[in-house]
Amino acid sequence: GENVEQHPSTLSVQEGDSAVIKCTYSDSASNYFPWYKQELGKRPQLIIDIRSNVGEKKDQRIAVTLNKTAKHFSLHITETQPEDSAVYFCAASNHDMRFGAGTRLTVKP
Amino acid sequence: DTEVTQTPKHLVMGMTNKKSLKCEQHMGHRAMYWYKQKAKKPPELMFVYSYEKLSINESVPSRFSPECPNSSLLNLHLHALQPEDSALYLCASSQNLGGGETQYFGPGTRLLVL
Repeated sequence: GENVEQHPSTLSVQEGDSAVIKCTYSDSASNYFPWYKQELGKRPQLIIDIRSNVGEKKDQRIAVTLNKTAKHFSLHITETQPEDSAVYFCAASNHDMRFGAGTRLTVKP
Repeated sequence: DTEVTQTPKHLVMGMTNKKSLKCEQHMGHRAMYWYKQKAKKPPELMFVYSYEKLSINESVPSRFSPECPNSSLLNLHLHALQPEDSALYLCASSQNLGGGETQYFGPGTRLLVL
């Protein structure tokens, strides 16, 4: 089955800096890669996703890149704000969806 | 309606109790999911329903019993749970089952088993 690894487990940045979270996956048949943001006590919320026929996708301050050959994908957040502080999960989906272990991002004002 | 709703928000139960968690969506989605999430861990898939039929059961103990009465509702019946079953139980739905389908999560039920 699919195995997703996510790094780093914690990330602390200064407000305004960029944050990068990286994930690798094992199943070359996976074709959909969503990123979820989960604030404390809340549901996971989809923030951006990418499909295997695309190499990069951007939505305002958030971007995701995908390297199918290397089987890794990354989340980039620019101009971070304190409200970006949360746990971020990557996931890879073929028949079902498997999550990475999560990254706790802290943005210091 | 673009939301997945879950009730109750919180539940405390003893190990001999029987209780049910409920999930509802009105987005016309045909796939619904139950996940279990422990603190500081990712959601862990338990069950998947597609067109009201159980499609995936991730070797979940029989003390958890899912039910899909219709295309909008998903229940999780709980009986004789253990303290280690305390967790956040998340429901999700997607248009269809399969790779490439975006899953939308409900707010979860926080369960405490005493």
